[in-house]
Amino acid sequence: AQKVTQAQTEISVVEKEDVTLDCVYETRDTTYYLFWYKQPPSGELVFLIRRNSFDEQNEISGRYSWNFQKSTSSFNFTITASQVVDSAVYFCALTPMEYGNKLVFGAGTILRVKS
Amino acid sequence: EAQVTQNPRYLITVTGKKLTVTCSQNMNHEYMSWYRQDPGLGLRQIYYSMNVEVTDKGDVPEGYKVSRKEKRNFPLILESPSPNQTSLYFCASSWGVDEQFFGPGTRLTVL
Repeated sequence: AQKVTQAQTEISVVEKEDVTLDCVYETRDTTYYLFWYKQPPSGELVFLIRRNSFDEQNEISGRYSWNFQKSTSSFNFTITASQVVDSAVYFCALTPMEYGNKLVFGAGTILRVKS
Repeated sequence: EAQVTQNPRYLITVTGKKLTVTCSQNMNHEYMSWYRQDPGLGLRQIYYSMNVEVTDKGDVPEGYKVSRKEKRNFPLILESPSPNQTSLYFCASSWGVDEQFFGPGTRLTVL
């Protein structure tokens, strides 16, 4: 069975601070995909990144970066120099490659960025 | 415009009155899913479909039905809704194991 844990329920930071959102997962599958999604206050779900279990390279996209460590089953997300527009709920998710559509989400982390 | 549409967006109903939430995508995606979102629980998958006439249970399928007769449509059916099915529902579609495109959500209240 798959499980995704986002231990931080809510994080508050001041604009321009760096913030890291933790994601720890459990799976018996050896091949799988990990995702991050963003849900801003308007409610839509926005895709941020997909990472497969073969690729442990860190990824950077602008102010966003992701650190995937198979040894600790973690896929953490860092926002550098946070902005008010980053305020949202962030979800980490996992799916085995064999069942590409069977996605398991974490409970989400609410990020509040204050000006 | 590429999109996933859901109808209705808001629905208030009473216990036991059958309802259907429609979902349609115009991207020719093979994969479609239904999720429910509840505070503190994140999104939980109800059912998913990897192709026409191919559906399977997600983590919380009890009390729900789905059908996939056409590639573009994936309706969610609640035969006898109960108050514990009050939730925010999302439909999603994708090309295989890739970014899922989500609909705008349907907020359902069962009294």
